[in-house]
Amino acid sequence: QQQVKQSPQSLIVQKGGIPIINCAYENTAFDYFPWYQQFPGKGPALLIAIRPDVSEKKEGRFTISFNKSAKQFSLHIMDSQPGDSATYFCAAPYGATNKLIFGTGTLLAVQP
Amino acid sequence: EPEVTQTPSHQVTQMGQEVILRCVPISNHLYFYWYRQILGQKVEFLVSFYNNEISEKSEIFDDQFSVERPDGSNFTLKIRSTKLEDSAMYFCASRSVYLGNQPQHFGDGTRLSIL
Repeated sequence: QQQVKQSPQSLIVQKGGIPIINCAYENTAFDYFPWYQQFPGKGPALLIAIRPDVSEKKEGRFTISFNKSAKQFSLHIMDSQPGDSATYFCAAPYGATNKLIFGTGTLLAVQP
Repeated sequence: EPEVTQTPSHQVTQMGQEVILRCVPISNHLYFYWYRQILGQKVEFLVSFYNNEISEKSEIFDDQFSVERPDGSNFTLKIRSTKLEDSAMYFCASRSVYLGNQPQHFGDGTRLSIL
């Protein structure tokens, strides 16, 4: 299966809250999991990425937690800010050319 | 920081007309991609291109689509006879080819509107 399943579809949090976005996959051939952030009218921008040999990765306020046995990973945004309001996509590269398989996206709104 | 640039930002075309979407990938990248995002949906892979040839294409990328690297910097996507369902955002991406997974970097896209 080449799918990456993402939830929730949308999320509203208050400023300072910790939104959590979840992704799950079936294909154990996936070995790299980037998260992309997309603002309206812009292309997806790489936010943070993780390999399955680590259980957690932090970059600033963004943390990926990875559960290899469950084939699930999640993005946490600490101390969320209104400027974090965007659509977030998890993804996995697949195949000989590493084409990206994207999740369905999560529209995050951080209210002031 | 180097970036992928795409032109035009918005293209409006009559159904049945040909369109060419242009991309300038990051200069030392050698793998190039086109993706499509229909409004409100996820980003979908169309085609990958390496060493001046298509290396992989999706079911969406039928005979109406073609890609070309006409010179050392541009990478183009051509749709020969556009259909209403081709209306979407089209994103170009590129990555380097060093060992291990390297992230793909995306342009800001071309919004294609077919009338």
